[in-house]
Amino acid sequence: EVQLVESGGGLGQPGGSRRLSCAASGFTFSNYAMSWVRQAPGKGLEWVAGIGGSGGSTYYADSVRGRFTISRDNSKDTLYLQMNSLRVEDTAVYYCAKGNHIVVVAVYSDYWGQGTLVTVSS
Amino acid sequence: ERVMTQSPATLSVSPGERATLSCRASQSVSSLLAWYQQRPGQAPRLLIYDASTRATGIPARFSGSGSGTEFTLTISSLQSEDFAVYYCQQYNNWPFSFGPGTKVDIK
Repeated sequence: EVQLVESGGGLGQPGGSRRLSCAASGFTFSNYAMSWVRQAPGKGLEWVAGIGGSGGSTYYADSVRGRFTISRDNSKDTLYLQMNSLRVEDTAVYYCAKGNHIVVVAVYSDYWGQGTLVTVSS
Repeated sequence: ERVMTQSPATLSVSPGERATLSCRASQSVSSLLAWYQQRPGQAPRLLIYDASTRATGIPARFSGSGSGTEFTLTISSLQSEDFAVYYCQQYNNWPFSFGPGTKVDIK
């Protein structure tokens, strides 16, 4: 059974940093692209970042490019999102999502974690 | 960036009735379109990919159609568990943009 468990959410201040993790199980992690998708309170879904199975290819939404970094450790079956220079508008539930194949192009998400809430406020 | 729009924003349907949801892309996304269902307090769940292929375990009452810029999700006979928000998402071009969602509620 595919499982994705996010952690690292919490309250942070504007300008601060936070690192999210997503522990994966139930599939060969390195064979699949992974993504982070967020949802602000009461709002819709926003694709944040994606990474290929080998970690060599990464893509970012314009809203986070230069501030957020997606990475993965295939030896630990774990996906990360390093969030720097946090803004109030980054407040959201952050979901980890598994892609349907190894590359991060033309990929949809077939499994999602339950999400972790990041709140940015002074 | 492909901008996705969905209509209507809210659809009120009685149990057992048919629901038709629309999704439009600002430029062609070929058939690289997915539909997700999100129930309150839950993560999104994949329903349809490649515009018309049902994901594993998804009931046959869900069907998708379309290509290019116009897409449709049809729920043939609404069950109580189908009242939720539905999002379309294109994965033809990065960033893989979502539509704003259609809320299906009980009439």
